[in-house]
Amino acid sequence: QKEVEQNSGPLSVPEGAIASLNCTYSDRVSQSFFWYRQYSGKSPELIMSIYSNGDKEDGRFTAQLNKASQYVSLLIRDSQPSDSATYLCAVNYRNDYKLSFGAGTTVTVRA
Amino acid sequence: EAQVTQNPRYLITVTGKKLTVTCSQNMNHEYMSWYRQDPGLGLRQIYYSMNVEVTDKGDVPEGYKVSRKEKRNFPLILESPSPNQTSLYFCASARQGAGYEQYFGPGTRLTVT
Repeated sequence: QKEVEQNSGPLSVPEGAIASLNCTYSDRVSQSFFWYRQYSGKSPELIMSIYSNGDKEDGRFTAQLNKASQYVSLLIRDSQPSDSATYLCAVNYRNDYKLSFGAGTTVTVRA
Repeated sequence: EAQVTQNPRYLITVTGKKLTVTCSQNMNHEYMSWYRQDPGLGLRQIYYSMNVEVTDKGDVPEGYKVSRKEKRNFPLILESPSPNQTSLYFCASARQGAGYEQYFGPGTRLTVT
């Protein structure tokens, strides 16, 4: 059973702080990793994708991938109230289009 | 504007009454997929299609049908809906070779009474 697990929330951070989200996956042959942001009642929105070990930065978001340890993380710097959402980790297992999703971590940024 | 559209956005129906949820994308994507999202269970894949006339089951296909006669459209059919199919449904699409990045439609909230 392929699994994607995320740290349980909710995660509450003060405005301006760093929010750190973690995700572990169970299959060593996983190739592609994604972070989606989902506002309540809305559809998932792709915010980061990462394919190789190391860090990838996009604006206030940084994704970190460590395939040896089978984890991927997302850092949100200078958190804003608009970052309050559920963040979904998704893993592509067979180098095709099938994605497996984690249950999500809800982030609340308090002003 | 590049997008995935779904219709209807909200639907309340009764057990056993056949319904179709449409999905269309204007990005010429080869891959399309349907998911359902339920509290505590996350996103689960129902069916997917790698291209026209090529479809396959996802993790929870029971009670659903799909077809892919045109590249842009991927309707989800519930022949005899039951209350356990009450859920939030998302259609997604992806371009072949684009890192398998999937883009989601706005969602359809279905209630079966």
